[in-house]
Amino acid sequence: DQQVKQNSPSLSVQEGRISILNCDYTNSMFDYFLWYKKYPAEGPTFLISISSIKDKNEDGRFTVFLNKSAKHLSLHIVPSQPGDSAVYFCAATGAGSYQLTFGKGTKLSVIP
Amino acid sequence: GAVVSQHPSRVICKSGTSVKIECRSLDFQATTMFWYRQFPKQSLMLMATSNEGSKATYEQGVEKDKFLINHASLTLSTLTVTSAHPEDSSFYICSARDPSPVAGGADTQYFGPGTRLTVL
Repeated sequence: DQQVKQNSPSLSVQEGRISILNCDYTNSMFDYFLWYKKYPAEGPTFLISISSIKDKNEDGRFTVFLNKSAKHLSLHIVPSQPGDSAVYFCAATGAGSYQLTFGKGTKLSVIP
Repeated sequence: GAVVSQHPSRVICKSGTSVKIECRSLDFQATTMFWYRQFPKQSLMLMATSNEGSKATYEQGVEKDKFLINHASLTLSTLTVTSAHPEDSSFYICSARDPSPVAGGADTQYFGPGTRLTVL
């Protein structure tokens, strides 16, 4: 049973446009959500996070939106740059556990 | 962000030998570290949770006698793959939980660069 789902395995976006990566979760006990960026043969790099008490968190070009009622979050990257091309993982934690539950990832390709 | 290192980055060994992978948090103390495994084109799979000063907690299906974890200090956790076989070949990644409130969040984990293990 997959508790964190990233239904789009890949996404292509033109440079300068907005990239929107989506993530859905099923476990209502999750209260903290994170996005990681990963290049091949490297460890994930933390990008941005959001607590369940908020519905938006912004850091530079990255904004994460959380819709608790829909159990949905999204990562917006504006403007997209070729260096953003990577696999993006959505992760969630909660219920007093520090363990992260990851989605399967979305491969973002930003086309120059 | 916080820095986590792993050593070695790449190791090739013969079947039947043991391999030790180190994970260090360089600029913070991590009471909790995690070990993940990633197969090609798949997500990260949590293997075990490493707690400083106590026994590791293993996920279902992970053999604790095969994957020995030691978290002897607040900045170091080690994963030893004992009697490695070709099916153990994988990309192993550790992460450390930064408990600092000024970090991305109390539950933010920072990942090491990973270790590519190839067992011949």
